[in-house]
Amino acid sequence: QQQVKQSPQSLIVQKGGISIINCAYENTAFDYFPWYQQFPGKGPALLIAIRPDVSEKKEGRFTISFNKSAKQFSLHIMDSQPGDSATYFCAASMQETSGSRLTFGEGTQLTVNP
Amino acid sequence: EAGVAQSPRYKIIEKRQSVAFWCNPISGHATLYWYQQILGQGPKLLIQFQNNGVVDDSQLPKDRFSAERLKGVDSTLKIQPAKLEDSAVYLCASSSRPGQENSPLHFGNGTRLTVT
Repeated sequence: QQQVKQSPQSLIVQKGGISIINCAYENTAFDYFPWYQQFPGKGPALLIAIRPDVSEKKEGRFTISFNKSAKQFSLHIMDSQPGDSATYFCAASMQETSGSRLTFGEGTQLTVNP
Repeated sequence: EAGVAQSPRYKIIEKRQSVAFWCNPISGHATLYWYQQILGQGPKLLIQFQNNGVVDDSQLPKDRFSAERLKGVDSTLKIQPAKLEDSAVYLCASSSRPGQENSPLHFGNGTRLTVT
């Protein structure tokens, strides 16, 4: 019940295209859903996050869409750039009870071709 | 603000040897986490500290792994004896106010351990 399943495992997009990464969770107690971006040799860094009381959150070219009934959420990267090439992880946590302890998905390696 | 500092960056040891990793969190961050990231997988929590007390170590293989956070600041993670399957990147993260949306986890760049 603690799992977060992420797809696809890898994604290749042309510059200017839309990158879409999907995640699904089972534990309905999760109440915080962040996306992290990781470059080679670096630790993950928070990209954008959403709470289940909203269906969408947008920050610049990055948008999270959240479907509470389906227990799914996705990351959309608009106008993808070569600099966006990285590994993306979705995650989930129960903020109040677990002190931000994150359960991560398996990751999606995004390659944006110039 | 300075980020989470970890050392060493790389470590190569033989199986059955011991190894220790060090982490210095962001100043003032009370919560510290150690995550294990095996190649091609997402980070997996090993242990969580609140100040110098353990909050969650349910996924720490206690027969070989140990961690401490003396004085509620720096932390060390030790593996003794190491196994081949311990080859991974060990990430340290810290947070100032767990449970708050505007208080994300800040990760260090990790220590890459190779066990031969």
